[in-house]
Amino acid sequence: GQSLEQPSEVTAVEGAIVQINCTYQTSGFYGLSWYQQHDGGAPTFLSYNGLDGLEETGRFSSFLSRSDSYGYLLLQELQMKDSASYFCAVRDKDSSYKLIFGSGTRLLVRP
Amino acid sequence: NAGVTQTPKFRVLKTGQSMTLLCAQDMNHEYMYWYRQDPGMGLRLIHYSVGEGTTAKGEVPDGYNVSRLKKQNFLLGLESAAPSQTSVYFCASSPSGRRNEQFFGPGTRLTVL
Repeated sequence: GQSLEQPSEVTAVEGAIVQINCTYQTSGFYGLSWYQQHDGGAPTFLSYNGLDGLEETGRFSSFLSRSDSYGYLLLQELQMKDSASYFCAVRDKDSSYKLIFGSGTRLLVRP
Repeated sequence: NAGVTQTPKFRVLKTGQSMTLLCAQDMNHEYMYWYRQDPGMGLRLIHYSVGEGTTAKGEVPDGYNVSRLKKQNFLLGLESAAPSQTSVYFCASSPSGRRNEQFFGPGTRLTVL
């Protein structure tokens, strides 16, 4: 089967940089996605890595190493509004229409 | 554009009752999905559709049925609700060229007593 592992919780200070890791096990791989979800809200798409390397979108960057089955989401210049849960996701090997989500990392930004 | 909308937002059912959750999207997306999210957990796929008139099972399909009679709508039905189906249900859609980017509705919070 497929599985993803993320830390359950991360705490950081406002203005700092934080990295949220995701390791995955899958027999077929189509790329790694990241989603953000605030408490009581809906998940929103942040980024996608189909190839190795770094993708940057403003304060957020996402990295992928397919040889290590590993990726991370990097958040810079943390703001209080970045407190949320962050999920990594991979496309399913049996059906590329489906995403398999990790259990999420809860990020708490402190003043 | 309203994006993805879901009705109702909240619902309380008694065990054995039935209900239908409605999802609508106005972005002309081909693919639509139904997920459930339990406290402190990720999203688990219930059913999905890759086009009008098609549906397929996800990770946790038991106890649910779906229909996609129109491209913009995706219905999720619970025929006989059970307490284990207490959850937050999210609908999502994605365009055919960007399967990794799913757009989510605001969710339906369902409690089964």
